[in-house]
Amino acid sequence: EAQVTQNPRYLITVTGKKLTVTCSQNMNHEYMSWYRQDPGLGLRQIYYSMNVEVTDKGDVPEGYKVSRKEKRNFPLILESPSPNQTSLYFCASSLRAANTGELFFGEGSRLTVL
Amino acid sequence: AQSVTQPDIHITVSEGASLELRCNYSYGATPYLFWYVQSPGQGLQLLLKYFSGDTLVQGIKGFEAEFKRSQSSFNLRKPSVHWSDAAEYFCARGGNAGKSTFGDGTTLTVKP
Repeated sequence: EAQVTQNPRYLITVTGKKLTVTCSQNMNHEYMSWYRQDPGLGLRQIYYSMNVEVTDKGDVPEGYKVSRKEKRNFPLILESPSPNQTSLYFCASSLRAANTGELFFGEGSRLTVL
Repeated sequence: AQSVTQPDIHITVSEGASLELRCNYSYGATPYLFWYVQSPGQGLQLLLKYFSGDTLVQGIKGFEAEFKRSQSSFNLRKPSVHWSDAAEYFCARGGNAGKSTFGDGTTLTVKP
């Protein structure tokens, strides 16, 4: 089954404790992206990747890192989480590199930073 | 920077009534426009998309949208709403070399 898988789905952590949210897709998509969703703010793009070893900042990259060492994986790293990073995070992928096609979304990862 | 505006935060319609959700995008080259739906606790699912050509596009679940360049709009419509259409709807713009922009979303409530 074609899917985007995120882990963990739910996480409560404390300020400053490094964490990684994994994202994996099995559709051989070139493009992958991370978003955060906050009430009233829609989805805001954090980072995206147009192919392996190619990543770039979205609109809200501060406090986050990403890597794209393999085509299927695009982990989101919070080196020193802070309470303002409490949010619902979505990973998405798309067949084409330039984000001109349909985005396939994971089910989301709800992160709480205390 | 490109932007997407959904003027309506919340819309309530009666089951069986028609629906129109508004979306405006900032001026730019021919945009790649999308409508997504998010049911509670779920990720987003694509309803329809516009790249070029026919300005009236059909999507899944009986939805359609019309691209109007003169009004910078891409409004979503459905002739008869079903209770299962209650969800949050997002208009989005892509194609800007990887960057994508979403509207703030419109929550649809369907009255029985």
